[in-house]
Amino acid sequence: GDSVTQMEGPVTLSEEAFLTINCTYTATGYPSLFWYVQYPGEGLQLLLKATKADDKGSNKGFEATYRKETTSFHLEKGSVQVSDSAVYFCALSDRTGNQFYFGTGTSLTVIP
Amino acid sequence: EAGVAQSPRYKIIEKRQSVAFWCNPISGHATLYWYQQILGQGPKLLIQFQNNGVVDDSQLPKDRFSAERLKGVDSTLKIQPAKLEDSAVYLCASSRREGGDNEQFFGPGTRLTVL
Repeated sequence: GDSVTQMEGPVTLSEEAFLTINCTYTATGYPSLFWYVQYPGEGLQLLLKATKADDKGSNKGFEATYRKETTSFHLEKGSVQVSDSAVYFCALSDRTGNQFYFGTGTSLTVIP
Repeated sequence: EAGVAQSPRYKIIEKRQSVAFWCNPISGHATLYWYQQILGQGPKLLIQFQNNGVVDDSQLPKDRFSAERLKGVDSTLKIQPAKLEDSAVYLCASSRREGGDNEQFFGPGTRLTVL
């Protein structure tokens, strides 16, 4: 069945460092791909999404490109801030739009 | 606009007891989701409603879990009887309409501990 595998954490970076969180997926057909973020004490919220191959989602300096050839949707940011400390979840919705699959989450801590 | 509301925020019960969770989605959102998030794992979709009809409940353990969304607004998720392995955070989410590319808005969750 469909699934998402993301890089295990926790990840600790210094402020202004480059961030990559890897995400790969297994799906039948062409899923939509998402990154959700959960800041401390808050609920999950959508960070960015891509709905077809080669699409790039971007928000708040974060980017991820839907790569069909490598079945990947890696999250990147060029310069992280302390305020980016959170748990990041990669997710997909299947081709029917009726099923959603989340990765296990990657905890990021950015230190000053 | 007000976000997705859930209650209670925390619940502790003994195994074999029953428990119910309540969710009020964002006003006007037609689609409502219930997820189970076990510690250290990502959210797992249990059931999806479109208005007051079930779109998908293939992952809902129907021998003990039930959910309803009367009048297409609020929803309740019930577990009867609870097992130790049901300890998790239960998340409710809503979106404007059905479809895989629509943004889901999540509530704060209900943390259930089964002793």
